[in-house]
Amino acid sequence: EPEVTQTPSHQVTQMGQEVILRCVPISNHLYFYWYRQILGQKVEFLVSFYNNEISEKSEIFDDQFSVERPDGSNFTLKIRSTKLEDSAMYFCASSAETQPQHFGDGTRLSIL
Amino acid sequence: DQQVKQNSPSLSVQEGRISILNCDYTNSMFDYFLWYKKYPAEGPTFLISISSIKDKNEDGRFTVFLNKSAKHLSLHIVPSQPGDSAVYFCAASGRSGGSQGNLIFGKGTKLSVKP
Repeated sequence: EPEVTQTPSHQVTQMGQEVILRCVPISNHLYFYWYRQILGQKVEFLVSFYNNEISEKSEIFDDQFSVERPDGSNFTLKIRSTKLEDSAMYFCASSAETQPQHFGDGTRLSIL
Repeated sequence: DQQVKQNSPSLSVQEGRISILNCDYTNSMFDYFLWYKKYPAEGPTFLISISSIKDKNEDGRFTVFLNKSAKHLSLHIVPSQPGDSAVYFCAASGRSGGSQGNLIFGKGTKLSVKP
């Protein structure tokens, strides 16, 4: 069964550094998402992406965050200058038209 | 701001019995609801969904019930199996067509099925 893949599984970064989290969505999906889950808290929506542009974003997704689909397969989340509070599990998801979102296994981001 | 609430952090049931996981929501604009299962070190896995125009959806051992007037939904698993032991998340969206967009998640209920 096709799945969403995310790399790396664990990323350790110094505060203030840039980090790029990578995702390969399911190949025939058109809608792409990023969510995060801070330890002990709910899964929170960050951003959705469709037709090469952001379709919706949350308050969390400020100017430090950006997303890109650099080619036909990858979908990336960049955090420009990481803060301690960015430490979380980051989940990528994708969906086809009218279909439920399918999630990857996440990237654990640890900011030191 | 808890738009989706799962008030039971954990549930323990005996193998073969029914597991009932509950979820309440506050936003009457939600019209699409989903249940996800999550094992440790994995992402949420889609289980079953229901549109607000229905009150029941069934898929094998899993049935979701929606009570719009009470803003309540539940997931029934019968019979429960040890492999069902996981954290179950309820999620809601304001639209069911096209992309569901922003999914609002509950905090999850950890289900333990005892052999």
